[in-house]
Amino acid sequence: RKEVEQDPGPFNVPEGATVAFNCTYSNSASQSFFWYRQDCRKEPKLLMSVYSSGNEDGRFTAQLNRASQYISLLIRDSKLSDSATYLCAVNHGSSNTGKLIFGQGTTLQVKP
Amino acid sequence: NAGVTQTPKFRVLKTGQSMTLLCAQDMNHEYMYWYRQDPGMGLRLIHYSVGEGTTAKGEVPDGYNVSRLKKQNFLLGLESAAPSQTSVYFCASSRRTGPNYGYTFGSGTRLTVV
Repeated sequence: RKEVEQDPGPFNVPEGATVAFNCTYSNSASQSFFWYRQDCRKEPKLLMSVYSSGNEDGRFTAQLNRASQYISLLIRDSKLSDSATYLCAVNHGSSNTGKLIFGQGTTLQVKP
Repeated sequence: NAGVTQTPKFRVLKTGQSMTLLCAQDMNHEYMYWYRQDPGMGLRLIHYSVGEGTTAKGEVPDGYNVSRLKKQNFLLGLESAAPSQTSVYFCASSRRTGPNYGYTFGSGTRLTVV
């Protein structure tokens, strides 16, 4: 079993739709969680950190479920510009080296 | 702010050739990382460094060496390139771990080994 798993998709949604992605992780000692956005042939860019209480940034909401060991990303009112691959990242257990384990990414395609 | 700069951006190598990828960051970050990204495999950690003069192996270190002689630079070397090392290489840096230490990535190096 991979340490961090995502449904690769693609998720094809119309503009204005709400879409949600999940990401499961296997190491219960993990403490830091992130969502990154990666455009085609570009580097990943930090979208948002995921806090224990959940957090929101505009149309984006991230949540953490420690009991079931997954994080989620909700995108409301999807825009064409949201089309990208979304990577989740989890720190390597209790390690203090800063190492992140990345999921394979979920591809989102927003259609007009 | 340049952030994280990788050179070169593209390279084609013949099997058995060597090369060095350079990563430079101007954010005074302590931690630096080299990842490779392959279709269907996601980002995999090759080597990392938690400070000047230190390096450690990641998930897929075989065939690569690294050095961090200066805090701002992290070099990735391929001594004898193999076709299996065809990939996109990303360098990243972060400040010391904390609740929100997320990485800053460089723009990547696309390497083809023929």
